[in-house]
Amino acid sequence: GAVVSQHPSRVICKSGTSVKIECRSLDFQATTMFWYRQFPKQSLMLMATSNEGSKATYEQGVEKDKFLINHASLTLSTLTVTSAHPEDSSFYICSARRSLNTEAFFGQGTRLTVV
Amino acid sequence: LAKTTQPISMDSYEGQEVNITCSHNNIATNDYITWYQQFPSQGPRFIIQGYKTKVTNEVASLFIPADRKSSTLSLPRVSLSDTAVYYCLALNTDKLIFGTGTRLQVFP
Repeated sequence: GAVVSQHPSRVICKSGTSVKIECRSLDFQATTMFWYRQFPKQSLMLMATSNEGSKATYEQGVEKDKFLINHASLTLSTLTVTSAHPEDSSFYICSARRSLNTEAFFGQGTRLTVV
Repeated sequence: LAKTTQPISMDSYEGQEVNITCSHNNIATNDYITWYQQFPSQGPRFIIQGYKTKVTNEVASLFIPADRKSSTLSLPRVSLSDTAVYYCLALNTDKLIFGTGTRLQVFP
């Protein structure tokens, strides 16, 4: 299957700082990318959907000024957690798909710990 | 958006066949049913996708009846390494919404 690479796999940052997570589709062009967060023993919660070249669509309750998403090209999307707080500590996962009705491929996830 | 409903958890023993059923009563005409597997601290991994009838690949089979209101993922002869959470989703939507998933525990 197609490969989606997410970087870094884990990061620790201090409260108040910002952290950027990259998501790359290595062998296909992704018209749509998704960002999720997942708490222990819970399902994936969709944060936002981004299409290349346009603004991301955020789910209700997700602060767009706190979770900045940029989908600059068909192979790269970034999630920046701004002014991170301990409650932002979570597992963040990105996903990419070529088009509708095609399967989505997921990155390996990023474990963010804010201290 | 098609909402999916699955059992929260299932137990099995090595070598047994496991069938996980997913309900999706309001699935749209253009939706495909897709199943993912997730291990702890990893991203979900694609298992199988289908539209109707039966699809089989090297790891699983997917059965979808004519009315498409449900689907069943069949894992033949599970092993300990199949212990994971399994999610079914309806594709061809703008969003990919995950339900609760089914936590499969395989015992020796």
